[in-house]
Amino acid sequence: QEKVQQSPESLIVPEGAMVSLNCSFSDSASQSIWWYQQHPGKGPKALISIFSNGNKKEGRLTVYLNRASLHVSLHIKDSQPSDSAVYLCAVEDTGNYKYVFGAGTRLKVIA
Amino acid sequence: EAAVTQSPRNKVTVTGGNVTLSCRQTNSHNYMYWYRQDTGHGLRLIHYSYGAGNLQIGDVPDGYKATRTTQEDFFLLLELASPSQTSLYFCASSGQYEQYFGPGTRLTVL
Repeated sequence: QEKVQQSPESLIVPEGAMVSLNCSFSDSASQSIWWYQQHPGKGPKALISIFSNGNKKEGRLTVYLNRASLHVSLHIKDSQPSDSAVYLCAVEDTGNYKYVFGAGTRLKVIA
Repeated sequence: EAAVTQSPRNKVTVTGGNVTLSCRQTNSHNYMYWYRQDTGHGLRLIHYSYGAGNLQIGDVPDGYKATRTTQEDFFLLLELASPSQTSLYFCASSGQYEQYFGPGTRLTVL
C-alpha cells in the first residue's frame, strides 16, 4: 500500500516569504499527485496537481515532482496570512481512483 | 462549483449505538469517498464507490459499513459505535480529477 509522508509538520513564516512543503511517497508507479488546502473547520480544497516529472506553475504556486526520488514539493511564493492552513499531499494509488493522504503540514503566515 | 453536503454536522452517541452519516453530491460524479480525519493521521480512507450499488473497501474499514443508494447519495453506517470511532468524518466526490469535499461531520462516541 502506498505510504505518504509530509514534512515539516508545522511552519511559521513572515508575510511575503517563500514557503516550501515536502511530500515523499513509496510507489514510483503512482499516478497523479494532488495538493489540498484545508482551513480550520472546513473540508480540504484542491490546489494543484502534477502527473509527469518536472514542474508545474499556477499563479503563486509551483509544484515539483521527481518520481526517481519519490518526492514532490509545493512552493508558495509571496505568502499571505490567508495562506495559513493545513496543506495535504494526496497520491493516487496506481490508477484506481483511490488516494492516500499524508498527515499534512500546518502553515502559519504572520503579518 | 461542485457541491457536497453532509448531515448531521455534529453527532454524539454512546458506545454500542447505531449511527448513520449521510452524504449527497450534486456534481454527477461517479466516485464518492468516506474518510476519517484524526490528529497525526491526516485523512484515512474508509470506503469508496464508483456508482450506485458499488462499494470498494478502503484502508481503515473495520467497524464501518457503507452503501451507495443512488449516484448522489452515499451513507456511512456504524452499527456498534466505539470510542475509537470518535473522529471528524469527511465525504468527497470526484469525476476524473480532483476530489470535492463536504464540510465534515464531527462524531463523538461516549
